[in-house]
Amino acid sequence: AQSVTQPDIHITVSEGASLELRCNYSYGATPYLFWYVQSPGQGLQLLLKYFSGDTLVQGIKGFEAEFKRSQSSFNLRKPSVHWSDAAEYFCAVGAIGGGGNKLTFGTGTQLKVEL
Amino acid sequence: GAVVSQHPSWVICKSGTSVKIECRSLDFQATTMFWYRQFPKQSLMLMATSNEGSKATYEQGVEKDKFLINHASLTLSTLTVTSAHPEDSSFYICSAFSSGRSGEQFFGPGTRLTVL
Repeated sequence: AQSVTQPDIHITVSEGASLELRCNYSYGATPYLFWYVQSPGQGLQLLLKYFSGDTLVQGIKGFEAEFKRSQSSFNLRKPSVHWSDAAEYFCAVGAIGGGGNKLTFGTGTQLKVEL
Repeated sequence: GAVVSQHPSWVICKSGTSVKIECRSLDFQATTMFWYRQFPKQSLMLMATSNEGSKATYEQGVEKDKFLINHASLTLSTLTVTSAHPEDSSFYICSAFSSGRSGEQFFGPGTRLTVL
């Protein structure tokens, strides 16, 4: 069974500082990996995804993530955080191919940005 | 981009009543739609997978008679919470998947259900 671990429940960074959110996954084959952001009371917005190819993936809002197969990780990074980045971030893993890509989500990391 | 809408965005109902939530893919045809439930400050838990024209597949522990899912067309899926009770209060989120969209699910904005 697939699973996702986000070890950090809460992270606080100062505006302008760099950010790294950790994500580790367990999956029997090459996974589809996603990072989503959720603002309070809102649905999920896709930041970026990895399916194959280049292991460094660029996303929206200046985010990037690196797929490291040897470490089963897909950490999200941003070089300079803005106050508007404060939100809940979810890492997710899905199956490649048919079946509609059932996603398994991590427990989320709450990001707080100090001005 | 692909847009998924949900209606209503929030609903308050009395215990024992039924509530229907709609999920629509506005600019693409969704072969599969998913329904998630999210408790406060927690992750999304998949409730069921809905394929157009067939019965939904429910995750373990989800009562299919409690949460009725219908996927009558390629752009609409509905979730009906029957005989709702306060413990059914939650944030319900749907997502839509199309095989022509590189395996990506597109999420709706969610529906906040409060059962009094």
